[in-house]
Amino acid sequence: GENVEQHPSTLSVQEGDSAVIKCTYSDSASNYFPWYKQELGKRPQLIIDIRSNVGEKKDQRIAVTLNKTAKHFSLHITETQPEDSAVYFCAGVYTGGGNKLTFGTGTQLKVEL
Amino acid sequence: GAVVSQHPSWVICKSGTSVKIECRSLDFQATTMFWYRQFPKQSLMLMATSNEGSKATYEQGVEKDKFLINHASLTLSTLTVTSAHPEDSSFYICSASPPRGTGTNRPNEQFFGPGTRLTVL
Repeated sequence: GENVEQHPSTLSVQEGDSAVIKCTYSDSASNYFPWYKQELGKRPQLIIDIRSNVGEKKDQRIAVTLNKTAKHFSLHITETQPEDSAVYFCAGVYTGGGNKLTFGTGTQLKVEL
Repeated sequence: GAVVSQHPSWVICKSGTSVKIECRSLDFQATTMFWYRQFPKQSLMLMATSNEGSKATYEQGVEKDKFLINHASLTLSTLTVTSAHPEDSSFYICSASPPRGTGTNRPNEQFFGPGTRLTVL
């Protein structure tokens, strides 16, 4: 089955700086890679996603890059704000195999003033 | 957008009792729903895939006789934790994907319920 590794486990940045979170996956059949933001005690919220036929996607301050050959993908947050502080999870999915999400281990992002 | 609800949002029970958690898709039909468990400061781990009208598919290491899943309608799946013990205390979250072409701009996107905090004393 799929295995998704995520680094770093914690990340502290100054407000306005950029934050980068990296994930690697094991199953070359995976073709959909969502990123979630989860605040304490709440449900995960999709913030951006990318499909295997795309190398990069951007949505305002958030971007995701995918390297299929190396089987890794990254989340980039620019101009970080205190409200970006949360736990971020990457995930990998093989949409032809039942759409099951395999989550990374999570990154606690703290944006300091 | 697609909305998934869960009930209850939190529950406290005594060891040995059973607890039922409901997951509902409010504005779409879901033939498949997923149940996850999340321990404090850990990731979401898929427990099982709930299939409407058929048996659930459990992930390796998840006891099917302890975590009973029923998906009797296209909008409701239930998870029953039987004979709960303190180690079952966790955050249980369900998710569902609307069928293709039902309004979401992101095919394969899963919508999560708000979660149920279970505490077993």
